[in-house]
Amino acid sequence: GQSLEQPSEVTAVEGAIVQINCTYQTSGFYGLSWYQQHDGGAPTFLSYNALDGLEETGRFSSFLSRSDSYGYLLLQELQMKDSASYFCAPLMNTGFQKLVFGTGTRLLVSP
Amino acid sequence: GAVVSQHPSRVICKSGTSVKIECRSLDFQATTMFWYRQFPKQSLMLMATSNEGSKATYEQGVEKDKFLINHASLTLSTLTVTSAHPEDSSFYICSARVGGGRSYEQYFGPGTRLTVT
Repeated sequence: GQSLEQPSEVTAVEGAIVQINCTYQTSGFYGLSWYQQHDGGAPTFLSYNALDGLEETGRFSSFLSRSDSYGYLLLQELQMKDSASYFCAPLMNTGFQKLVFGTGTRLLVSP
Repeated sequence: GAVVSQHPSRVICKSGTSVKIECRSLDFQATTMFWYRQFPKQSLMLMATSNEGSKATYEQGVEKDKFLINHASLTLSTLTVTSAHPEDSSFYICSARVGGGRSYEQYFGPGTRLTVT
């Protein structure tokens, strides 16, 4: 089977740093993606880790450890607009590639 | 970046009727599109993978005769909810995969809010 775990909710203040963890158990694991979704909106791609280590994209960084089946998304210099849901999404290769979304972490940034 | 559109954005239909939702990739060709449904404050559940020119691949538990998927061209996939019932009310989102070296990246449409009365 497969399982994904993320914290359900995280709160922080503007300017702070937040780390959202994700543990996974999937077959045919290819890599780990992260998506952001504002209420009522479409998910948007944030980052992807194919290899172990840290990927940095502006204020957002993502980390993957394949041996630990673990990854995290790091958000720095938080802004109010970062309040959204964040999903880790393993890319699986079971004959063809597909994303499986975690339960999502709701991030609330306060002034 | 790549743009995916969906139509309609909202639809209300009566129980027992069918509803068609369109998903278009506007500025790129998508050999593979995906259909998801999302209940309020929950995750996206993959329903099916749609490949241009071939039958869709449905996830376990998704009724293929109820959720008809057609991917007739490289820029259009449609999802038809047949004989809709109130429990089918949900947010339906499509996505398209950018090919080549960024095959891991999916672009999502804005979603369709379906309400069945």
